[in-house]
Amino acid sequence: NAGVTQTPKFQVLKTGQSMTLQCAQDMNHNSMYWYRQDPGMGLRLIYYSASEGTTDKGEVPNGYNVSRLNKREFSLRLESAAPSQTSVYFCASSETGGGPYEQYFGPGTRLTVT
Amino acid sequence: TQLLEQSPQFLSIQEGENLTVYCNSSSVFSSLQWYRQEPGEGPVLLVTVVTGGEVKKLKRLTFQFGDARKDSSLHITAAQPGDTGLYLCAGANPGGTSYGKLTFGQGTILTVHP
Repeated sequence: NAGVTQTPKFQVLKTGQSMTLQCAQDMNHNSMYWYRQDPGMGLRLIYYSASEGTTDKGEVPNGYNVSRLNKREFSLRLESAAPSQTSVYFCASSETGGGPYEQYFGPGTRLTVT
Repeated sequence: TQLLEQSPQFLSIQEGENLTVYCNSSSVFSSLQWYRQEPGEGPVLLVTVVTGGEVKKLKRLTFQFGDARKDSSLHITAAQPGDTGLYLCAGANPGGTSYGKLTFGQGTILTVHP
């Protein structure tokens, strides 16, 4: 039981390059989330998927796209990377329904855009 | 707009001291969670509080949810170097909207010196 896995762990991109961050969970959770974490800013929600086949914007969606491939997998794509997207990216999953909405996080992807 | 204000942002103490971290909001949450994050890893759930006035204990850690479900505190007794890390509070379903999504505080970086 691996929980939430993310690939890659580290990535360096040049401005304008594209890449996809992969996330998978094996806890049969309905909801999945993508966050970015920057110093002093806590975790900010980029996109989330309440269930398979649905996605919605979070607090900071500009410059990103997502795909909920199936119940297990939720990917985040940067089409044209910018230095402002240098950050640590976390994927998380949770059950929904009546709560309490506890989230389980992956180990993160550390992205640097030069 | 930051819905959850966490304080202090930094805390540096000696082993054996007590400390309290606060998480405050003007919004009502259906539940509130505390996470701990170590360098290079994702946040790990410590506890969830659901009922106003609820107190939960986890060894030397005591968590309290305010009566009005707008605030919470984390108290650590006799801190150990192993308590060092980033502590994050997160509120679920603020104001009765946005099921499943969490609002995170900015985090408290705790350093416990031997």
